[in-house]
Amino acid sequence: DQQVKQNSPSLSVQEGRISILNCDYTNSMFDYFLWYKKYPAEGPTFLISISSIKDKNEDGRFTVFLNKSAKHLSLHIVPSQPGDSAVYFCAASDYSTNAGKSTFGDGTTLTVKP
Amino acid sequence: NAGVTQTPKFQVLKTGQSMTLQCAQDMNHNSMYWYRQDPGMGLRLIYYSASEGTTDKGEVPNGYNVSRLNKREFSLRLESAAPSQTSVYFCASSELGDINYEQYFGPGTRLTVT
Repeated sequence: DQQVKQNSPSLSVQEGRISILNCDYTNSMFDYFLWYKKYPAEGPTFLISISSIKDKNEDGRFTVFLNKSAKHLSLHIVPSQPGDSAVYFCAASDYSTNAGKSTFGDGTTLTVKP
Repeated sequence: NAGVTQTPKFQVLKTGQSMTLQCAQDMNHNSMYWYRQDPGMGLRLIYYSASEGTTDKGEVPNGYNVSRLNKREFSLRLESAAPSQTSVYFCASSELGDINYEQYFGPGTRLTVT
């Protein structure tokens, strides 16, 4: 059973518009959530994170929202730029017991069109 | 400061051959991880090492062994390669207790088993 799901394999948006990437999880023990960005032929790089004690975290153009009751988080990119085109992975951790391990979703490929 | 380095970048093996993937980090992190990524899928944890001298199985450990040689280095060994192990392998490191708790990834090793 996949504990972290990204149900949209791909998303295409116009430059300057908002990109919204979604992620659902099933394990209620998860208490820390991260988004990673991956370009082709490179390793993933950390983008933004959120602790379960918060419902929003913002860093420049990137905002992550967490809805614990729905076990859902989303990443908003505003405004979207062509350089944001990449695969975005959602990851979740049980920080207190899990030795730093994260469970990853399958990723969403974002294409931002000029 | 190179971050996380992996060697080799590419490798082709015949079924039954063995090889070791090397990983090193220069960030003085305690925790290190090995993942595999198959097409269209997220990263699946093979093995991890929470600290020097300890290793534990992840989600998909069968067919692999690891060695935490020292704090910097964490190697992954395939004793008898199988076509099902064709994948891209990523090494990562992190520091438990970091506020952001993110993992830093290497560039990956693309392995093909024929």
